[in-house]
Amino acid sequence: DAGVTQSPTHLIKTRGQQVTLRCSPKSGHDTVSWYQQALGQGPQFIFQYYEEEERQRGNFPDRFSGHQFPNYSSELNVNALLLGDSALYLCASSLRPPGHEQYFGPGTRLTVT
Amino acid sequence: QQQVKQSPQSLIVQKGGISIINCAYENTAFDYFPWYQQFPGKGPALLIAIRPDVSEKKEGRFTISFNKSAKQFSLHIMDSQPGDSATYFCAAFDTGNFNKFYFGSGTKLNVKP
Repeated sequence: DAGVTQSPTHLIKTRGQQVTLRCSPKSGHDTVSWYQQALGQGPQFIFQYYEEEERQRGNFPDRFSGHQFPNYSSELNVNALLLGDSALYLCASSLRPPGHEQYFGPGTRLTVT
Repeated sequence: QQQVKQSPQSLIVQKGGISIINCAYENTAFDYFPWYQQFPGKGPALLIAIRPDVSEKKEGRFTISFNKSAKQFSLHIMDSQPGDSATYFCAAFDTGNFNKFYFGSGTKLNVKP
């Protein structure tokens, strides 16, 4: 039973660029949530997707957007990258909202230079 | 405003000892309280979770104690092992109102052999 997978593992981008991160949920899960984890901090909720729609959103600017596909996989897009966007981006999957029993992927380490 | 406050920030315990990590919350609407374990370079892994209708839940060496009136909950790791050395996060969730998932700031546990 495959768990949550994310790609790529690491990514280096330049300020102002755009980035797309990908997530495949755990088998049987249909809800995907994205988190940003700065070094030494707890994860911060970005948004949650269910039935291909953004269902709720944390306190992140519109530069952060997402998408969910019919197969439940999801993408996180960040535009106009800032140095402060450097972090570990985590995807978590769950079964239907509220989706509190979340299973996390290994994350994508994004470095903005 | 920090929704979930976690302490201590770091903890050193001898092998075989008891590790205790504490969390406090303010929002009485929270009704699901999980603990996550995170190893370096990995995503958080769900360890154990509790609902406020019980005061204690035990799974193997891990126990959650919950005090609803004080709005506090804690993780106890009995017979701590070097393999338990990781960062632990508490979290709180309001499942009824489709609210967001709030994490504590984390506790870095080091179990000395």
